[in-house]
Amino acid sequence: KQEVTQIPAALSVPEGENLVLNCSFTDSAIYNLQWFRQDPGKGLTSLLLIQSSQREQTSGRLNASLDKSSGRSTLYIAASQPGDSATYLCAVGDTGKLIFGQGTTLQVKP
Amino acid sequence: GAGVSQSPSNKVTEKGKDVELRCDPISGHTALYWYRQSLGQGLEFLIYFQGNSAPDKSGLPSDRFSAERTGGSVSTLTIQRTQQEDSAVYLCASSLSGYNSPLHFGNGTRLTVT
Repeated sequence: KQEVTQIPAALSVPEGENLVLNCSFTDSAIYNLQWFRQDPGKGLTSLLLIQSSQREQTSGRLNASLDKSSGRSTLYIAASQPGDSATYLCAVGDTGKLIFGQGTTLQVKP
Repeated sequence: GAGVSQSPSNKVTEKGKDVELRCDPISGHTALYWYRQSLGQGLEFLIYFQGNSAPDKSGLPSDRFSAERTGGSVSTLTIQRTQQEDSAVYLCASSLSGYNSPLHFGNGTRLTVT
């Protein structure tokens, strides 16, 4: 059974800092990995999708990497801003559905 | 364009009553998902519709839960004889062509069973 773990559960950083969020999964037979952002009381917003054949994807200040063999993904956020404060979730694509981690709640302090 | 729309946004019901939650996906999206998010929990997969294929119901927690998708568009999640443990935020998502394209989520329906 696929399990997805995110570390740390919460993170607080000063504005401007670069940071890395971690995601690990137990079964490397995945179709893709997606990173989402969730703001309080809202649904999820898709940030990046990495296909299983890819190693990384970039969008603006965000860069996500995927290492299937080790069952790991990282989300790198450059020059963090207070508006980046949210919960970040990773999810792995598994036979038609996504399996989600518990998320990392990020607070960026001005 | 319009995103995924869910209604109602909030629902309070008494234990034992039936409830229906509605999801309007993005037009043209062939895949539709239902997830449940409980306080302090991650997202729990419930059911997945892809085009005209039989839905993947493997995440439905009991036979009190059912879902349908009419005309390949609107979906309704029905919970019969609600229990307090059914209290959660129910999230719907759609994607253009299944799990290999980004999922677009609605804002969810917050269900409270008293």
